[in-house]
Amino acid sequence: DTAVSQTPKYLVTQMGNDKSIKCEQNLGHDTMYWYKQDSKKFLKIMFSYNNKELIINETVPNRFSPKSPDKAHLNLHINSLELGDSAVYFCASSQDGRPLYNEQFFGPGTRLTVL
Amino acid sequence: AQTVTQSQPEMSVQEAETVTLSCTYDTSESDYYLFWYKQPPSRQMILVIRQEAYKQQNATENRFSVNFQKAAKSFSLKISDSQLGDAAMYFCAYRTYPNTGTASKLTFGTGTRLQVTL
Repeated sequence: DTAVSQTPKYLVTQMGNDKSIKCEQNLGHDTMYWYKQDSKKFLKIMFSYNNKELIINETVPNRFSPKSPDKAHLNLHINSLELGDSAVYFCASSQDGRPLYNEQFFGPGTRLTVL
Repeated sequence: AQTVTQSQPEMSVQEAETVTLSCTYDTSESDYYLFWYKQPPSRQMILVIRQEAYKQQNATENRFSVNFQKAAKSFSLKISDSQLGDAAMYFCAYRTYPNTGTASKLTFGTGTRLQVTL
């Protein structure tokens, strides 16, 4: 069973289109994240949701809108795609709020290519 | 803001030898976590080893060990008996100690590409 899954794994689209990436975790975690890995392999946090509430919202264009319908799902919708949005997007989850070690588990990533 | 620096963009090691990857970080916090993640060509992020800042003892996981120097804000990864399967990007990451009801992000370094040669 895959702990954190993302769909699709690959996404190729034209500039100006709107697209969504879905993420699901079956670990029972209460916190989910979106990270972006650029062409130089640099990983940076974009958003985080805790119990469906937006907790972290880094400086990200408002064309990016996360949505968490429930604790197990965190989707990323991107409007008016630009060339610079091409990257690998990782979803992750963890069980936060405890004074214990809490590993973030990553999904397999979605490689988005904007032409 | 916390920052994580990996000063070695690329490293190479011969099979069965030992290699050390460097990582330094900057923070004003006293409680935090440090991690090393491995990203092979499959791009899956795999946790290699973790260290809680309040623990003085260096973490070890089989062939992987860390040298954690809290005062120097240094967190290096040592890979012993290197294997071909160790070839990957290695990311050092910092995470603040989470409070109840909040989330804490991972702040990553820029990565070190490790090559393993025969």
